[in-house]
Amino acid sequence: AQSVTQLDSHVSVSEGTPVLLRCNYSSSYSPSLFWYVQHPNKGLQLLLKYTSAATLVKGINGFEAEFKKSETSFHLTKPSAHMSDAAEYFCVVRGSARQLTFGSGTQLTVLP
Amino acid sequence: DTEVTQTPKHLVMGMTNKKSLKCEQHMGHRAMYWYKQKAKKPPELMFVYSYEKLSINESVPSRFSPECPNSSLLNLHLHALQPEDSALYLCASSQASSGNNYEQYFGPGTRLTVT
Repeated sequence: AQSVTQLDSHVSVSEGTPVLLRCNYSSSYSPSLFWYVQHPNKGLQLLLKYTSAATLVKGINGFEAEFKKSETSFHLTKPSAHMSDAAEYFCVVRGSARQLTFGSGTQLTVLP
Repeated sequence: DTEVTQTPKHLVMGMTNKKSLKCEQHMGHRAMYWYKQKAKKPPELMFVYSYEKLSINESVPSRFSPECPNSSLLNLHLHALQPEDSALYLCASSQASSGNNYEQYFGPGTRLTVT
């Protein structure tokens, strides 16, 4: 069985400051992990993925995530937030069950 | 090209209507998915097609009927829906449904309102 926990339902940052969205996972097998972003009334866009290659994964729009097996974490970071980053972010795990298991989501607000 | 298209963008239907949602991809993907997403919630898997055959049905009511006419197209036929079926319906595709490394690409969704 696999599961994913997003530790914060809401995160608020000021424009130009760092972003940290936290995600812990549970999987019996070596998982694939993803971060997706969803802007209001839009579909989901893949930000980045971890598939057992490098533990530090770089994605689009300046986002990156680090896979830490010892901590079962896959936190998403960005050095400097932009207003356009305001959206819902989903951490997703894909394990032996083949299908995606979504976290509950983190709403990111960027303040001017 | 990593685009999945969905039509219509918005749909309003009565409980006695029959309508269909359409999804299309031209990435050569052999797995396609339907998800339902309620407001402020993550997507919930409804159906999975693998090589044009239905491989997963997540106990979805029969008023939702999926169809995969070919490897690029996925339809969702709707009949006698209830107001609680109002949601954003997302289509996704991936290279295949098995294996660990195949990311899913999502369409923009169809916003369905049942009156």
